Amino acid sequence: DAGITQSPRHKVTETGTPVTLRCHQTENHRYMYWYRQDPGHGLRLIHYSYGVKDTDKGEVSDGYSVSRSKTEDFLLTLESATSSQTSVYFCAISPGTDQPQHFGDGTRLSIL
Amino acid sequence: QKEVEQDPGPLSVPEGAIVSLNCTYSNSAFQYFMWYRQYSRKGPELLMYTYSSGNKEDGRFTAQVDKSSKYISLFIRDSQPSDSATYLCAMSAAGAQKLVFGQGTRLTINP
Repeated sequence: DAGITQSPRHKVTETGTPVTLRCHQTENHRYMYWYRQDPGHGLRLIHYSYGVKDTDKGEVSDGYSVSRSKTEDFLLTLESATSSQTSVYFCAISPGTDQPQHFGDGTRLSIL
Repeated sequence: QKEVEQDPGPLSVPEGAIVSLNCTYSNSAFQYFMWYRQYSRKGPELLMYTYSSGNKEDGRFTAQVDKSSKYISLFIRDSQPSDSATYLCAMSAAGAQKLVFGQGTRLTINP
C-alpha cells in the first residue's frame, strides 16, 4: 500500500451539517489530492495541494474547502453538507508533477 | 462529449482468456496514460504508467498507446479470477495536476 490512511471510512450525516474528512500519508509526498467517485461520472478532482498551505481548485470544488497545515495531512471540509455530496471520496498522493498518483481506500459519505 | 470514453461493460470472459480493455480520448495534449485496477470498496491501484506513444509490458499486463488515433489499450494475458475488478483508464497533459478518468470497465473472469 502507498501509505495513505483516510478517516473516517464511513460516515452518515444530515443535510446542513459540517463534515471533515482526513487524509494522512507517510510517504512525505509533495502533492495531495481529493477526488469524488460517482456512478456515471467516474473520478473527479475536487481540490489539490502542492505543499503546506498551498492548495488549488479542481473541476468540482463548489461546496468544498481544504486545508493542509502539515505535509502529511490534507483535510477536506463540507461546510454545509447537501445530498448531492453523497459520494465516495478518495485521497491521492504524488511525489511531483508528471508522477503517478496513488490512492487511499476511500471514505463513503452519505448525506440524508 | 466526454474527454475520455471507456465502455463500462460489464465484460465477462473465461479464465485463461486474453482480455482487451480500451479507452479513446479527444484532448491531443494528453501525454501521460495510466491504467488503474479497482476492487470493490477499495481505492484505485496503479497498474501501468506510460508516457507518450508505444507499448509497455509488466508481467501479464501490456499497455499500448496510439496517440495518432487517440486510443489506449490494456491487455491481460492468461486472465485469472483474481483479475476480476473495475479497470480505469486515466490520462493527463504535461505539467497538469488533473487526471481525467474514464468511467471504468467492470471485468469478470469466470473459473
